Amino acid sequence: GQNIDQPTEMTATEGAIVQINCTYQTSGFNGLFWYQQHAGEAPTFLSYNVLDGLEEKGRFSSFLSRSKGYSYLLLKELQMKDSASYLCAVTTNDYKLSFGAGTTVTVRA
Amino acid sequence: IAGITQAPTSQILAAGRRMTLRCTQDMRHNAMYWYRQDLGLGLRLIHYSNTAGTTGKGEVPDGYSVSRANTDDFPLTLASAVPSQTSVYFCASSDQAGGADTQYFGPGTRLTVL
Repeated sequence: GQNIDQPTEMTATEGAIVQINCTYQTSGFNGLFWYQQHAGEAPTFLSYNVLDGLEEKGRFSSFLSRSKGYSYLLLKELQMKDSASYLCAVTTNDYKLSFGAGTTVTVRA
Repeated sequence: IAGITQAPTSQILAAGRRMTLRCTQDMRHNAMYWYRQDLGLGLRLIHYSNTAGTTGKGEVPDGYSVSRANTDDFPLTLASAVPSQTSVYFCASSDQAGGADTQYFGPGTRLTVL
């Protein structure tokens, strides 16, 4: 199986920036997804990185370093609605998607 | 467009009973997946189907079976439920198999086995 690590919980203040790290050890790495999941709801797609570097989408950015087996999701200008779990998921050459346990982000006023 | 629907939303089941979780998508996606999500473990793949008529085993297939008779439907069956199968079950689909395609998730089924 794949080994995917991310912090369990993070807390930040409204308007601040939070960086969620994800490290992975895998063979046949293809790319890395970030999903957002609000409590009691389905995961929804945020980003997909295949190449090294930073991908920016509005307030959310995702970074990938294939050589280091490392990614992060950056959430800027935090809003209360950003309180959710953020799931790091790795896709490999065997066409499978493996998820980390998720990071629960709590945004406080 | 509904996307992916799952039924039931939640279910309490006696151990030893048979149960089928239903999943239907209207996006004409080729690939479909079943995951279970448990606290602290994240989403784990149970079974998948790359295209209608084919299925494959994921990370935790024991105790579960699936079928893919057509493009839209991908039911998951627990032949004889056990308490360790208490979980939230998510169905997902993607346009193509291969992992690199974005997967779209249904709303989930919360199953409790007593």
